[in-house]
Amino acid sequence: AQSVTQPDIHITVSEGASLELRCNYSYGATPYLFWYVQSPGQGLQLLLKYFSGDTLVQGIKGFEAEFKRSQSSFNLRKPSVHWSDAAEYFCAVGAEGSQGNLIFGKGTKLSVKP
Amino acid sequence: DAGITQSPRHKVTETGTPVTLRCHQTENHRYMYWYRQDPGHGLRLIHYSYGVKDTDKGEVSDGYSVSRSKTEDFLLTLESATSSQTSVYFCATARAGEQFFGPGTRLTVL
Repeated sequence: AQSVTQPDIHITVSEGASLELRCNYSYGATPYLFWYVQSPGQGLQLLLKYFSGDTLVQGIKGFEAEFKRSQSSFNLRKPSVHWSDAAEYFCAVGAEGSQGNLIFGKGTKLSVKP
Repeated sequence: DAGITQSPRHKVTETGTPVTLRCHQTENHRYMYWYRQDPGHGLRLIHYSYGVKDTDKGEVSDGYSVSRSKTEDFLLTLESATSSQTSVYFCATARAGEQFFGPGTRLTVL
């Protein structure tokens, strides 16, 4: 079955500390992978995406993610977290020819301590 | 970002009443989606459309219907709202495998 797992429901980090959010997927086809961010009361905004090529992708707001096919993972990282990064983060997987349909993880809520 | 608007942004209604939520896009994207978002469940797909008058069911379609008579509009209807349909509803469009989201509609069914 196709699925996306975000093992951490809630993570708290100190401002300035590094961050890694985990995402594992199960998908039959070659995946397209996405990270979205949602601030409270807002819609989802795309942080970054992987379709093919370089497995380390850069996104907005200083985020990056690395696609590891052997581990079926697409973890999101940031070297130094800012208070404004507090939000909920969603990993999603899709594929070419899937009518744009994405499967979303249940999200990881990030809190940032001053 | 795709120009996606949702209306209304907030609605309170009573059990048993019909409710229609509207999604409007200005980007001429072919694919459109309706999701609901609930704590602990993430985003769950209700229905989607792959063109005018072409729609299909998603993961949680029971109690919902959709219509798409124009490329730019995708309507979600709750024929007889129930308290379990209290949620935040998001519309999205897709182009080249990427989805773009609207701001959401918060629906409360009393």
